[in-house]
Amino acid sequence: KQEVTQIPAALSVPEGENLVLNCSFTDSAIYNLQWFRQDPGKGLTSLLLIQSSQREQTSGRLNASLDKSSGRSTLYIAASQPGDSATYLCAVSHTGFQKLVFGTGTRLLVSP
Amino acid sequence: DGGITQSPKYLFRKEGQNVTLSCEQNLNHDAMYWYRQDPGQGLRLIYYSQIVNDFQKGDIAEGYSVSREKKESFPLTVTSAQKNPTAFYLCASSSGLGGYTFGSGTRLTVV
Repeated sequence: KQEVTQIPAALSVPEGENLVLNCSFTDSAIYNLQWFRQDPGKGLTSLLLIQSSQREQTSGRLNASLDKSSGRSTLYIAASQPGDSATYLCAVSHTGFQKLVFGTGTRLLVSP
Repeated sequence: DGGITQSPKYLFRKEGQNVTLSCEQNLNHDAMYWYRQDPGQGLRLIYYSQIVNDFQKGDIAEGYSVSREKKESFPLTVTSAQKNPTAFYLCASSSGLGGYTFGSGTRLTVV
């Protein structure tokens, strides 16, 4: 059974810092890995999607890497801003149509 | 704009009552999903459907029912058999090739 763990559970940083969120999964036979952002009381917003054959994806100040063999992914946020404050979730799937298995998230607070 | 629309945003259920949550997508995605989110527990899969007129149970299907009569629609009914329905419900869709798109959620409260 796939299990996804995210560390740390919560993170508080001052504005401008670069930071790394970690995600690990127990079964390396994944189809893809996706990072989401969730604001309080809202739905999930997709940030980055990494296919199993890829090693990283970038979007603006965000960079996600994937090491499938070791069961790890990291989300790097450069020059953090207060608007980045949210919960960040990673999720993996084993085929394109199968369910996503989610981690419990990292709650990020960026203070001005 | 393509996306997923969930309604209502807030829903209140009385004891013993069935309620239905709506989920509509215009992304032409084949697969649709319902997740439940509780504080501190992450998202758990209730039901999913890969094609019209077919659906499968997820990890916590007891007390819920779904239908998939149209590609665009995947309504979720929370029945009176669900003893603890208060939660945030999220609908999602995927094309099978790329990622998943989520709706904005429905918050269900038992009164």
